[in-house]
Amino acid sequence: DVKVTQSSRYLVKRTGEKVFLECVQDMDHENMFWYRQDPGLGLRLIYFSYDVKMKEKGDIPEGYSVSREKKERFSLILESASTNQTSMYLCASRNTGRRYNSPLHFGNGTRLTVT
Amino acid sequence: ELKVEQNPLFLSMQEGKNYTIYCNYSTTSDRLYWYRQDPGKSLESLFVLLSNGAVKQEGRLMASLDTKARLSTLHITAAVHDLSATYFCAVDIAAYGGSQGNLIFGKGTKLSVKP
Repeated sequence: DVKVTQSSRYLVKRTGEKVFLECVQDMDHENMFWYRQDPGLGLRLIYFSYDVKMKEKGDIPEGYSVSREKKERFSLILESASTNQTSMYLCASRNTGRRYNSPLHFGNGTRLTVT
Repeated sequence: ELKVEQNPLFLSMQEGKNYTIYCNYSTTSDRLYWYRQDPGKSLESLFVLLSNGAVKQEGRLMASLDTKARLSTLHITAAVHDLSATYFCAVDIAAYGGSQGNLIFGKGTKLSVKP
């Protein structure tokens, strides 16, 4: 089974702190994604990466950056945390190629609270 | 703008009853996924629908895809309490020029099955 592991289940940070959310997948997937999930807004894509050192902005990249130095690891960085970044963060990965036939596999999520 | 609309967003059912959740989307796609999310947990893949007319069944859940109507349905047969969760559909537009591997999610249908 595919395993996507997020390093923290719960995090509490203060406004202005730099926050790192880590995600590791063990299935050699090319594509990795960061979403945030908020009540009433569903899942929104923050950033994704289709290869090592490659990244693309999703729908809501402001206030975030990402890093993918190794294929299995995709980090989400909040440069200066703000209270409106309190949310559930979900990492996902997927195998892709000429045909996109596999679903996204999600990690367990990190519930971040910024005070 | 691509839209994925689920309805209903909230569904309260009695055990033993049948019901259908609808997922409409606004652009061409022949790949659609259904996910389940339990409270406080991450998303779990339920069904992968990869062509027009595809039908998948597992237990009391059956999913289908009509790409011409741009509609997928998730049918619940003889609901039981264990099916209480939020169900998401997600459309894959990568094969049609969308972002590499990203899925566009509906807002989810929160299902509550009562005795």
